[in-house]
Amino acid sequence: DGGITQSPKYLFRKEGQNVTLSCEQNLNHDAMYWYRQDPGQGLRLIYYSQIVNDFQKGDIAEGYSVSREKKESFPLTVTSAQKNPTAFYLCASTPGSSGKETQYFGPGTRLLVL
Amino acid sequence: GENVEQHPSTLSVQEGDSAVIKCTYSDSASNYFPWYKQELGKRPQLIIDIRSNVGEKKDQRIAVTLNKTAKHFSLHITETQPEDSAVYFCAASIGGGFQKLVFGTGTRLLVSP
Repeated sequence: DGGITQSPKYLFRKEGQNVTLSCEQNLNHDAMYWYRQDPGQGLRLIYYSQIVNDFQKGDIAEGYSVSREKKESFPLTVTSAQKNPTAFYLCASTPGSSGKETQYFGPGTRLLVL
Repeated sequence: GENVEQHPSTLSVQEGDSAVIKCTYSDSASNYFPWYKQELGKRPQLIIDIRSNVGEKKDQRIAVTLNKTAKHFSLHITETQPEDSAVYFCAASIGGGFQKLVFGTGTRLLVSP
């Protein structure tokens, strides 16, 4: 379980505010992912990155942005364009970049709207 | 788009009984099928996975079977224990060069003592 961390554990967003969720891994994994989890639903892919300085949109990228300036870091910004941001956000990483490997998840950040 | 359907959404069993969760997928090119367990408020953790070149894989009380022709795969838990209570997610890889995972909607398993 250790090796991939997310912060903060809880985050509150005000109307019109951008907020950034942190994801760090010390596993030397190539690929990193962001998922959104809503009650009663599975995990939905927001963005993924196979290598540094490159990332791709997932299934629900609208209203979100990411960067991958360092191998170990993959922060997610929830912008004011995301009208329904309340959810549990999970970051994950895989050793390689094929997508067909075990995904190691962080502990998650729960985002709530004030 | 490609999707994964998972059933049932909830499953209640008595301790010691077996539990079976089923998933179907739509992409015939899918070749990697992991199962994750998520306890309340915790992160998902891989419990078993299977690749398309085998039909069954077992790890102690947990087994997964794959039917490529029918495009479905199942998780089998035998001799269930209360600590098996959690939400279980199946997933299937989709796509060409980079295969992302598509997750099912989850099954809440409750094992009563």
